[in-house]
Amino acid sequence: DTGVSQNPRHKITKRGQNVTFRCDPISEHNRLYWYRQTLGQGPEFLTYFQNEAQLEKSRLLSDRFSAERPKGSFSTLEIQRTEQGDSAMYLCASSLETSLNTNSPLHFGNGTRLTVT
Amino acid sequence: AQSVTQLDSHVSVSEGTPVLLRCNYSSSYSPSLFWYVQHPNKGLQLLLKYTSAATLVKGINGFEAEFKKSETSFHLTKPSAHMSDAAEYFCVVSERSGGYNKLIFGAGTRLAVHP
Repeated sequence: DTGVSQNPRHKITKRGQNVTFRCDPISEHNRLYWYRQTLGQGPEFLTYFQNEAQLEKSRLLSDRFSAERPKGSFSTLEIQRTEQGDSAMYLCASSLETSLNTNSPLHFGNGTRLTVT
Repeated sequence: AQSVTQLDSHVSVSEGTPVLLRCNYSSSYSPSLFWYVQHPNKGLQLLLKYTSAATLVKGINGFEAEFKKSETSFHLTKPSAHMSDAAEYFCVVSERSGGYNKLIFGAGTRLAVHP
């Protein structure tokens, strides 16, 4: 079990630039989640995938945000035309949901810290 | 909608003394509750979870939490703090929505452990 891997660990970008983050979940996990954590707050749900299908998006996910999981394995989160308010830690998590276990714990990666200057 | 309130933003204890991190939840039905820990520059790690089985839940690293429905509380305790316990702790409630469990995090409690 190599755990959930996120890249890069840190990203500094200028306002208006586009950024893309990658998440590699635990290999057998069918669900993948993205959360955002701002300083002094708990993580907030952004979106989740069941295999390759994106099934839920939070209202926090503006039109500038897009997430994909093209083959049901790794996922990318892209932010277009970044704003200073996008500065946060972006966390990815995965879980294995089955018909017998619908409340599996989430396994989180170490996150990507985005700083928009 | 479900929510959690962590009653202390910061808790400071001496090494070897008990730890109490307080959490109250709001839920319209029997909730699933979790405690996660986050060390600096690390991901969130599950400490323990309550899913309507035993009300006293034991987790990793000597932590435990007790579900009290009458008080809508799920406080985290440890008999004796260790320096390595210094971290941010999150109380979490799981909300079933559209076929998946959305985690709703509290604002966190930062635990400091002094020698």
